[in-house]
Amino acid sequence: DADVTQTPRNRITKTGKRIMLECSQTKGHDRMYWYRQDPGLGLRLIYYSFDVKDINKGEISDGYSVSRQAQAKFSLSLESAIPNQTALYFCATSDLQKGQGRTGELFFGEGSRLTVL
Amino acid sequence: AQKVTQAQTEISVVEKEDVTLDCVYETRDTTYYLFWYKQPPSGELVFLIRRNSFDEQNEISGRYSWNFQKSTSSFNFTITASQVVDSAVYFCALSGMNSGYSTLTFGKGTMLLVSP
Repeated sequence: DADVTQTPRNRITKTGKRIMLECSQTKGHDRMYWYRQDPGLGLRLIYYSFDVKDINKGEISDGYSVSRQAQAKFSLSLESAIPNQTALYFCATSDLQKGQGRTGELFFGEGSRLTVL
Repeated sequence: AQKVTQAQTEISVVEKEDVTLDCVYETRDTTYYLFWYKQPPSGELVFLIRRNSFDEQNEISGRYSWNFQKSTSSFNFTITASQVVDSAVYFCALSGMNSGYSTLTFGKGTMLLVSP
């Protein structure tokens, strides 16, 4: 089983619908992230969380919200989906690296492909 | 602010050719980490390497090698004798000390197509 699991893996929805993408991890990491990938734009940070009481906006948070339900769970919501939110979404985790402290290295889920019609 | 530039959007080579993917970064941090990730057609992101800013030694792992040059703020990735299985999108990324290594800044990626 993957250490970072995203559900659903694929979703097609219509404009205006509420969508939730869920992420759970078994790595025991404290930090969790949501990134969005669009062709030619690389990965852009939506939100990140250092613990259940800490939520931070990334560079493209407008139109999204998140919830850190537990250390191991971090969900991303689109309250009213629009077509330009069609993208591949990645959840990631990070933690202290043995012998190196924090390095920023991310451990990614397999991605959730969202299509908004 | 941090920035990672991968100027090559797409590279096409024929199998067995050597290919270099460029990565240039900008940061005000004196200590930082640089990364390369691979994204094959299946879509997952695969970690390839992490390099500390104090370690400028080049690294070789099989057919892969990385050239880190602080003087030119570059962290280039070379694949020797490329294979079809190397076809993927490759991302260079940076995390900096001043932000507590809290987030990773990615380049836009280079798509490598290796044809038989």
